[in-house]
Amino acid sequence: GENVEQHPSTLSVQEGDSAVIKCTYSDSASNYFPWYKQELGKGPQLIIDIRSNVGEKKDQRIAVTLNKTAKHFSLHITETQPEDSAVYFCAASHPVGNTGKLIFGQGTTLQVKP
Amino acid sequence: ETGVTQSPTHLIKTRGQQVTLRCSSQSGHNTVSWYQQALGQGPQFIFQYYREEENGRGNFPPRFSGLQFPNYSSELNVNALELDDSALYLCASSPGFMSGNTIYFGEGSWLTVV
Repeated sequence: GENVEQHPSTLSVQEGDSAVIKCTYSDSASNYFPWYKQELGKGPQLIIDIRSNVGEKKDQRIAVTLNKTAKHFSLHITETQPEDSAVYFCAASHPVGNTGKLIFGQGTTLQVKP
Repeated sequence: ETGVTQSPTHLIKTRGQQVTLRCSSQSGHNTVSWYQQALGQGPQFIFQYYREEENGRGNFPPRFSGLQFPNYSSELNVNALELDDSALYLCASSPGFMSGNTIYFGEGSWLTVV
């Protein structure tokens, strides 16, 4: 079945620096790749997503890139702020089975030091 | 705010008991999925409901069951609770069941089984 690997598991940066989180997926049929931010005690919050017909998408300080050939996608956060500290999850879904179910990575704990 | 609301937020049950968790989907969304998130892990897909029918199921035993109502709200029922069922249960809604539909999560219901 589909598998999503996420790295690193923890990431610590200084405020103002950039942070990059990388994910690889196993099923080449996957066509939708969202990123979620989860703060302590809360549900996952969608921060950005990308579909397989697009290579890059940007929303203010957040960008996602997708390399379909290599089957990996990355989250880039620029000018990090302390409020960016959270657990970030990548996910993938594919049309097989007609459920759109998300397969999640293991998560990255991002700490932004003031 | 995603518009996905879940209740209760926290509950404690005894092993062997049964539990019902409830979810109201975002306005206009006809598809509801349920995920289980163990501590320190990414969410795992339990099942999805579309127009009151189960539309796909993950690797969970039959004691996990659900319902969707005509207003697209949903329930997750778990019978014969086991200690390993202790987790955050997340409801997610989307405007359709196919891969590529944006999926929004609620804040979750924390279940502790003792």
